[in-house]
Amino acid sequence: QQPVQSPQAVILREGEDAVINCSSSKALYSVHWYRQKHGEAPVFLMILLKGGEQKGHEKISASFNEKKQQSSLYLTASQLSYSGTYFCGTEGGSQGNLIFGKGTKLSVKP
Amino acid sequence: DTAVSQTPKYLVTQMGNDKSIKCEQNLGHDTMYWYKQDSKKFLKIMFSYNNKELIINETVPNRFSPKSPDKAHLNLHINSLELGDSAVYFCASSQIRNRGASEQYFGPGTRLTVT
Repeated sequence: QQPVQSPQAVILREGEDAVINCSSSKALYSVHWYRQKHGEAPVFLMILLKGGEQKGHEKISASFNEKKQQSSLYLTASQLSYSGTYFCGTEGGSQGNLIFGKGTKLSVKP
Repeated sequence: DTAVSQTPKYLVTQMGNDKSIKCEQNLGHDTMYWYKQDSKKFLKIMFSYNNKELIINETVPNRFSPKSPDKAHLNLHINSLELGDSAVYFCASSQIRNRGASEQYFGPGTRLTVT
């Protein structure tokens, strides 16, 4: 089942913070986060695993609440380069198949 | 070096035609995927494939078929194209390690337009 992301869109000024949420109706083993800039391919940001293990990079952090089946992506001191659509993905079966949410469009203005 | 590549980048064709999109990865990954992204930007898994198993999303019409000549390639064949097939198709690859812990690397996408 498709995870639900919120908000659908957010507009920020440079330096402001944002939180993007992702929730699922089923138990999660992991949550993936990807960013897609206009006209480009999705790019991996982060994986959060059940049990607290976290893999990622860049100045972006995230949390994973296994009991609530929710994840949040935190973007602090946003930069213009943060603009894009952020997708969370949850595991849809074997072989790492991901079921993506509908995305959150983030626009960072000067 | 390009990690995951797709050809062509753009594909314009008429309804009823048959077309193929090629995908190659040079990352040495064991699993490859095809995703469809529609006009509303919804990114949907179509197939995943490694050298042992093909997993097909049950909602994908059987006009779509993946073909893998070897571990580094996963091509997508589409028969009898329909208007609703217009979308951007992304290939991706990953190296399956622990469950849920494998990041995916996406190709640049192929924009298919069916007229």
